[in-house]
Order: sequence, then C-alpha cells, then structure tokens
Amino acid sequence: QKEVEQDPGPLSVPEGAIVSLNCTYSNSAFQYFMWYRQYSRKGPELLMYTYSSGNKEDGRFTAQVDKSSKYISLFIRDSQPSDSATYLCAMSGGNAGNMLTFGGGTRLMVKP
Amino acid sequence: DSGVTQTPKHLITATGQRVTLRCSPRSGDLSVYWYQQSLDQGLQFLIHYYNGEERAKGNILERFSAQQFPDLHSELNLSSLELGDSALYFCASSLPGAWNGYTFGSGTRLTVV
Repeated sequence: QKEVEQDPGPLSVPEGAIVSLNCTYSNSAFQYFMWYRQYSRKGPELLMYTYSSGNKEDGRFTAQVDKSSKYISLFIRDSQPSDSATYLCAMSGGNAGNMLTFGGGTRLMVKP
Repeated sequence: DSGVTQTPKHLITATGQRVTLRCSPRSGDLSVYWYQQSLDQGLQFLIHYYNGEERAKGNILERFSAQQFPDLHSELNLSSLELGDSALYFCASSLPGAWNGYTFGSGTRLTVV
C-alpha cells in the first residue's frame, strides 16, 4: 500500500462546477500538506500548502486537512477549462523532513 | 518561468549509455531536490542536496548519482541506462529555513532506446 493514495481519475466536469479532489495517507507524522497542479509535459506548480489540520482558502481554491482521518481535500469553485490538468497532493514532516511524498495525481478535465 | 532551469529538455540515448542532467535552482534557494516521474510510479523522490551537501536519499538506484556544486547548480548522473529509466526527471529547489514549498523546473524527458 502506498503512503499517499489518490484517485487517478480522469474526472470530467462541466465548466462552472465545483470540483473535489482528495487524498488519503497513512503516515501520521505528516504535518505539511500541499497541492500541486501539473499541466501536460510541464513541471508541477505549487497551488496551496497548509500546516496541520484546518482549512485554507485562496481565490477559487480551498484546501482542507483532517489529520484525525488522514484525509486532505482540494475544492475548486467555478471551475474553468484552464483548470484542466493533473492535480497532485503532497505531504511531508516527521522523519521525512522536507522530503515530499506525492500522491499519484488526479487528472481533471473541465469541459466548456 | 519558475526560476528553476533544467537542461536539456529532451534526451534520447541508447541502453548502456551515461547521461548528465543539469539543474540551476531559483536564486536564493540552497536546497535542490531530484524527482523521477514515470507513468506507473508517479513522482518518486531521488535525492536532496543542501548547500553542497547530500541531505537525504530516496529510491535512487546505485547507477544514479548526483552532486551540488559551489555555485549551487546540481547535476544528476545516470549510467548503464536501461529501458526502464525512461521518464521525466524533475529538479526542484526551495529556500532554507522554514518550509514553504518547492519550486519545480520544467523537467528533462529521458528516452532510453
């Protein structure tokens, strides 16, 4: 079993929909949680990061962390075709230090 | 442009050969991380350097090695290449001190034929 699990998708939604992306993890020492967006053949781009449990909002994006359930989410409101990409969750902390452990990524397609 | 520069962008080479991938971190970043991304394995951590010193190793094969030079650029050396080494290789850099995320380069696509 992988340390970080993420539904690979693809997830197809109409423009304007609310998108929910999720990851589960097994290492309770993880403290930093991130979401990256990766366009095809490009490097991952950091979208949001949170420390420990709680919510964080940035524009149309909201990240949620529930450490008790070992579950993190990224919500995208008013999704746009330009949001079509692969979304990767990543986390670090504890013995891992600054090393990021990534989920496998969820491919999102927003249709006009 | 993320500020992290990787060269070359594409590399095609034969099995058994050796290649060197280069990374220049973002200005001010002392840490360099190397990751391998393949279709079946996702993003896998290879190695971390901080200000010229190796700090952590992940699932890096013995055929692979890396170093970080005094000007902070880093090189990843891959030798005795096999077909299974075909992948995207990413370099990322980060600031020292408090953790605030990595900045990734655009990657080197390695194809071993």
